[in-house]
Amino acid sequence: GNSVTQMEGPVTLSEEAFLTINCTYTATGYPSLFWYVQYPGEGLQLLLKATKADDKGSNKGFEATYRKETTSFHLEKGSVQVSDSAVYFCALSLNNDMRFGAGTRLTVKP
Amino acid sequence: DVKVTQSSRYLVKRTGEKVFLECVQDMDHENMFWYRQDPGLGLRLIYFSYDVKMKEKGDIPEGYSVSREKKERFSLILESASTNQTSMYLCASITPGGSNQPQHFGDGTRLSIL
Repeated sequence: GNSVTQMEGPVTLSEEAFLTINCTYTATGYPSLFWYVQYPGEGLQLLLKATKADDKGSNKGFEATYRKETTSFHLEKGSVQVSDSAVYFCALSLNNDMRFGAGTRLTVKP
Repeated sequence: DVKVTQSSRYLVKRTGEKVFLECVQDMDHENMFWYRQDPGLGLRLIYFSYDVKMKEKGDIPEGYSVSREKKERFSLILESASTNQTSMYLCASITPGGSNQPQHFGDGTRLSIL
């Protein structure tokens, strides 16, 4: 079946550090890929998405590239801020089946 | 913007009670979902619905049921609450536009069963 594996957290970084959160997927076809963010006390919000191979999704300084050859969709940001502290979920969607990773908690310290 | 509203942010109930969690969306979406979120497990799908009066079991439906009497409202029911149902519950909706559409989430209901 379809599934998503993302790096375990928690991840703690200093402000302005570089962020990578790894995400790989298994799917029976060609899914759409998403990153969602969950701030404390809130539901999930879409951060970015990519719908086909080699697409790059970007938003708020975050980027992720859909790599079919490595079945990956790693999240990156060049310089994190304290306000980026949240839980990040990688997800795939294929034929109305949406699967989420376990989530990675990011804490950014000033 | 799509608005998905869950009726309660926090709820405390007792073992054996019948519990109702309500979710309403305002964008005429046909597809609605209920998940539970637990640390280290991510989101797990409980039930979903593609239309009024239609429901399908997700990955962990045991101990739960749902109701979809109107298009905008999707209710999750814990028939007889147990302590292992203490969790964060998230409702989501999506427009049927293929798999490239994101889901829209409510703010969640943190349910504690004592």
